[in-house]
Order: sequence, then C-alpha cells, then structure tokens
Amino acid sequence: QVTLRESGPALVKPTQTLTLTCTFSGFSLSTSGMCVSWIRQPPGKALEWLARIDWDDDKYYSTSLKTRLTISKDTSKNQVVLTMTNMDPVDTATYYCARCYYDRYYYMDVWGKGTTVTVSS
Amino acid sequence: QPVLTQPPSSSASPGESARLTCTLPSDINVGSYNIYWYQQKPGSPPRYLLYYYSDSDKGQGSGVPSRFSGSKDASANTGILLISGLQSEDEADYYCMIWPSSVVFGGGTKLTVL
Repeated sequence: QVTLRESGPALVKPTQTLTLTCTFSGFSLSTSGMCVSWIRQPPGKALEWLARIDWDDDKYYSTSLKTRLTISKDTSKNQVVLTMTNMDPVDTATYYCARCYYDRYYYMDVWGKGTTVTVSS
Repeated sequence: QPVLTQPPSSSASPGESARLTCTLPSDINVGSYNIYWYQQKPGSPPRYLLYYYSDSDKGQGSGVPSRFSGSKDASANTGILLISGLQSEDEADYYCMIWPSSVVFGGGTKLTVL
C-alpha cells in the first residue's frame, strides 16, 4: 500500500524559508520511473503544481516559482524535501506531496493528506 | 504556463449524468495530450479518477467506478469528465490536469448533486 505523509511547520513568518518533508512508503524512489511531486492549494483555490523529483535525481520546477524552490530526496529514508525561500502571506496553503511514475505516460496517483502552512507575522 | 478552463460550478440531480468540461488554450491541441481528472472532497486530498487520451487509450484509477468516464471534444479543444448515475457522494470539486512538460491543473469545478 502506497502512503505519503507531509510534515513541516504550521506557521512561518514572511521572508522565512519553509522546509517540508514528504515521508513515503510502499514504493521506492530508486525504482526506475518513480517520482514525487509537490502541489499546493491556497484556501478555497485551485491546485498548483510546484516541483518534481525523479528516481534518477532529475528535478523539475514550476516556472513561476523556480527561483524559490529546491527539491531533494533521501532514498534511504524514503523522504523528499521541498524548501521554499522568501515566504509571503500569499504562500499560505495546504501543501501536498504525491507519488508519480512513468509507465508510457506520467501518472500522479496517490497523495498525502497535506499539511497546512500559514504565513503570517 | 497554459491555463485549463473549467466552469466554476455545475449541478445535476441524483441518477442523472454530469458532464464536466476542461478547455485547453487554443495553442495546445487536446488531441495531443492525456487529460487527467481528480476528485476532491472538503478536507481531503485529491483522488485520482482517470486519464483519457482516446477511446482506445484510457485508464481508470484504482477502485474508481466505471460510471466515471472521460472523453474529448476536439472541435471545442475540450476534455470531458462524464459521471453517470450521479450519487450524493459525487458532490465534490473536480480538477482536470495535463502533463506536457510540467503539470498544469484546471481551476476546478464544484459539482453539486441536488
């Protein structure tokens, strides 16, 4: 059974750096074709894809946020970490990580429950 | 980044069918992409429903009932999610997604089952 769980601070101050961890089980990020994505959702708004890291350590970022994002993985710990610098109140959102994989096409099928981050002084 | 347009809301009665649309920008041909669909209920993460490329190339998410299906309207450059035999539990937000070089979501449609 594939599960993912996001963790990190619930509250950050403007200009601070946010660090979120996705801890997963049921699959390995060392398996060819596997990947993990981060997605966020501001309150009452739509989903926004942020970043992805592949099994071979290739990394992809949202064009609009790429200067602020860094994604990394620790395969031995089954964890993916996302950092976002220079946080602003507009970054207040629920942040999700999701398992993705490539099998003829890319799929993003299992999501964590999400972690809510509020940016406020 | 392309923008996928979804109507903010839709409604239908139990037992009826709901047709939710996802319109791609004119410079992106719907015929060239998988359209993925997700269902999200309040307080829960999105649930993967299905992908649709063509009638011969489509796939259902694990445990997703067959009354959820996908299609395309090439003339309108639109992906479609059809939910037949609507049930009260289908009331949720529905998001479409494409994955050209990176993931793009639509704005979501809130489906109300009257």
